[in-house]
Amino acid sequence: NAGVMQNPRHLVRRRGQEARLRCSPMKGHSHVYWYRQLPEEGLKFMVYLQKENIIDESGMPKERFSAEFPKEGPSILRIQQVVRGDSAAYFCASSPLPGHGRNEQFFGPGTRLTVL
Amino acid sequence: DQQVKQNSPSLSVQEGRISILNCDYTNSMFDYFLWYKKYPAEGPTFLISISSIKDKNEDGRFTVFLNKSAKHLSLHIVPSQPGDSAVYFCAASAEGGTSYGKLTFGQGTILTVHP
Repeated sequence: NAGVMQNPRHLVRRRGQEARLRCSPMKGHSHVYWYRQLPEEGLKFMVYLQKENIIDESGMPKERFSAEFPKEGPSILRIQQVVRGDSAAYFCASSPLPGHGRNEQFFGPGTRLTVL
Repeated sequence: DQQVKQNSPSLSVQEGRISILNCDYTNSMFDYFLWYKKYPAEGPTFLISISSIKDKNEDGRFTVFLNKSAKHLSLHIVPSQPGDSAVYFCAASAEGGTSYGKLTFGQGTILTVHP
């Protein structure tokens, strides 16, 4: 399966714990994006990363949220000290180099985070 | 502010007829538009896209139309099939400026195709 992989698919955390969401992009894609979908809403951009670089984090909450895409291994979205409002579906997408008139992004199945 | 809007939360269509899903945008920097289909508990699936240099793009049963002056695009599905029942999201991106790389999504339209 050469698609975008995300794990875990479901994650339950208690308030105050940490959540780590992982994303492996499609083969050959070096650009990764994280989006969040709250209940009854559309997807909201969080962060755009290339290997070892954060390109755009304008959608990330200022506190508790961080993301990385190391030289080796998957991209990680980390949420510290989770609160109930963090409960959502978190989607990762990947693409080849955007621009030049194209920007198709391919999405993983998502991680559904539930904070008790 | 909602830069991409899908004003119809839901649409119901008979099998075999045409489905037309609409999307409006406000940011004139957007130059690439995409439609995604999403089933419950799955990630969005890319359907079709269009660059701002075109006004129409067709792929099988799916056609996207872009009206830049009205900042409006639409997705036509002909003929509609029950398996098309899903949530459809319109998305937009800009090659330059602060929106580079990221997609801005509409709220989605739930399409139901009745047999």
